[in-house]
Amino acid sequence: EAQVTQNPRYLITVTGKKLTVTCSQNMNHEYMSWYRQDPGLGLRQIYYSMNVEVTDKGDVPEGYKVSRKEKRNFPLILESPSPNQTSLYFCASSFRRHNEQFFGPGTRLTVL
Amino acid sequence: TQLLEQSPQFLSIQEGENLTVYCNSSSVFSSLQWYRQEPGEGPVLLVTVVTGGEVKKLKRLTFQFGDARKDSSLHITAAQPGDTGLYLCAGTGGGGNKLTFGTGTQLKVEL
Repeated sequence: EAQVTQNPRYLITVTGKKLTVTCSQNMNHEYMSWYRQDPGLGLRQIYYSMNVEVTDKGDVPEGYKVSRKEKRNFPLILESPSPNQTSLYFCASSFRRHNEQFFGPGTRLTVL
Repeated sequence: TQLLEQSPQFLSIQEGENLTVYCNSSSVFSSLQWYRQEPGEGPVLLVTVVTGGEVKKLKRLTFQFGDARKDSSLHITAAQPGDTGLYLCAGTGGGGNKLTFGTGTQLKVEL
């Protein structure tokens, strides 16, 4: 089944404790991205990757890191999480940047 | 950064009513996508409109792209509880060469 998977689905952590949210897709998509979703603000792009080893900042990159060592994986790293990073995070993939986005199920992160 | 404003932000209606959701911007977009997101899930694409003035129908949902490609609307006829969800528009191009999501419209259809 074609899908985007994210782990964990739910995470409660404390300020400053490094964490990684994994994202994997099995559709051989070149383009992958991370979004955060907050009430009233829609989906805002954090980082995106056009292909392996090619990543760039989205609209709200501060406090986040990403890497794209393999085509299928695109982990999101929070080196020192803060409470303002409490949000619902989505990973998405597509063949090209402007094609249909396939979203993962989301990761709800709470930073205390 | 291009902005896509959706209205209304919230909409609660009874089953059988009609409704229209709007997606507006000051930027021109080369294409516009509409997604629906259900609780606990990621957004799922409903339709993509590309040509100014284009109208697409998906059962009881009608999507229209504005003539100037700066706005779009989603009209639902005879809404059903299964239409409940968050509707998001997303524009591509607009001078920024990226996909920009709108602020979303939360729709609740009650029996």
